[in-house]
Amino acid sequence: ETGVTQSPTHLIKTRGQQVTLRCSSQSGHNTVSWYQQALGQGPQFIFQYYREEENGRGNFPPRFSGLQFPNYSSELNVNALELDDSALYLCASSPLGTQGSNYGYTFGSGTRLTVV
Amino acid sequence: QKEVEQNSGPLSVPEGAIASLNCTYSDRGSQSFFWYRQYSGKSPELIMSIYSNGDKEDGRFTAQLNKASQYVSLLIRDSQPSDSATYLCAVKKGGGSYIPTFGRGTSLIVHP
Repeated sequence: ETGVTQSPTHLIKTRGQQVTLRCSSQSGHNTVSWYQQALGQGPQFIFQYYREEENGRGNFPPRFSGLQFPNYSSELNVNALELDDSALYLCASSPLGTQGSNYGYTFGSGTRLTVV
Repeated sequence: QKEVEQNSGPLSVPEGAIASLNCTYSDRGSQSFFWYRQYSGKSPELIMSIYSNGDKEDGRFTAQLNKASQYVSLLIRDSQPSDSATYLCAVKKGGGSYIPTFGRGTSLIVHP
């Protein structure tokens, strides 16, 4: 059974650029969530995808967008990068996206994004 | 009031002691509660989940839930230096929400 894999592991971008982060969910997991974690803070929810549809969104601007593919892998796209976007971006998968799910997350190793 | 609150610490305990980590939450209808461990520079790892009032034990870890008082705690018995990490509390609301909200985490240091 493979875990959650994210790529790339580290990335340096210039303010105003665009970035795409990728995530492959754990085998058997059909729900993918993305979180942003700034240094010293807890993970902040960006959005969740279930069956290729956005299933919930946190308090992030529209320049944060995403996709989920038929194989449940996912992408996070960020346009017009700002310095404050520098953070660890975490992808997490879980087996169910339906209401009442009691499953916890399996996290990927994260992508460390630095915007200069 | 934040949805999920944790003391950021650090909480420092000697090796072999019991470490007690606490978390309070604001939504009285919350249904599911999780503890994650995050080593420095690594991603969070699920260590415990609890849904009913009372205690749930797993090895050296015990999660305690008190819905009336809106708090959940994690006890680590016989603490080891390898337990030194940040412990994140996550709470799923009821009413159809299935997306957990995380606290900022408590840093635990276990010194030899």
